[in-house]
Amino acid sequence: NAGVTQTPKFQVLKTGQSMTLQCAQDMNHNSMYWYRQDPGMGLRLIYYSASEGTTDKGEVPNGYNVSRLNKREFSLRLESAAPSQTSVYFCASRRQGWNQPQHFGDGTRLSIL
Amino acid sequence: GENVEQHPSTLSVQEGDSAVIKCTYSDSASNYFPWYKQELGKRPQLIIDIRSNVGEKKDQRIAVTLNKTAKHFSLHITETQPEDSAVYFCAASRPDRGSTLGRLYFGRGTQLTVWP
Repeated sequence: NAGVTQTPKFQVLKTGQSMTLQCAQDMNHNSMYWYRQDPGMGLRLIYYSASEGTTDKGEVPNGYNVSRLNKREFSLRLESAAPSQTSVYFCASRRQGWNQPQHFGDGTRLSIL
Repeated sequence: GENVEQHPSTLSVQEGDSAVIKCTYSDSASNYFPWYKQELGKRPQLIIDIRSNVGEKKDQRIAVTLNKTAKHFSLHITETQPEDSAVYFCAASRPDRGSTLGRLYFGRGTQLTVWP
């Protein structure tokens, strides 16, 4: 039981390049989330998904797109990377219910030059 | 939306002392309050959570208290050890309108350092 798996762990991009961050969970969770973490800013929600086929914007969605491919997988895409998107990205999942804990992946450290 | 404020942003204690981190929230509909610990370069990990039907919850050296009237909740760590050094995040959750999905609203974190 791997929990939440994110790939890649590290990535360096040039400004304007595109990239997809992958996330998969094996806990049969319904809800999945993408966060970015910047120093002093805590965890900010980018997008989330209640179930396969549904997605909603969080606090900071600009410059990102998401796809909930199936119940297990939730990907985050940067169409044209900008230096301001340099961050650590975390994927999380939780089982059905708003009062259940979220479980996080190990993160992707992304640098945009 | 919900606004969660966390204090202090940094906290240094001597090994064996207690540490207290406080959070306030703005939305009275929030009913679930988890705490996460994040070690350097690692993922946030749930250490304790509380739901609004209880005022206090303990797990060994860690306890969380909740005051719904005042809209604040606190993390208490007793007999601190160097391995408690990490960033701690509080969060609040409530149902989104028309769904049971809910979102977690995070505080900005507290860097706890425990000196030997």
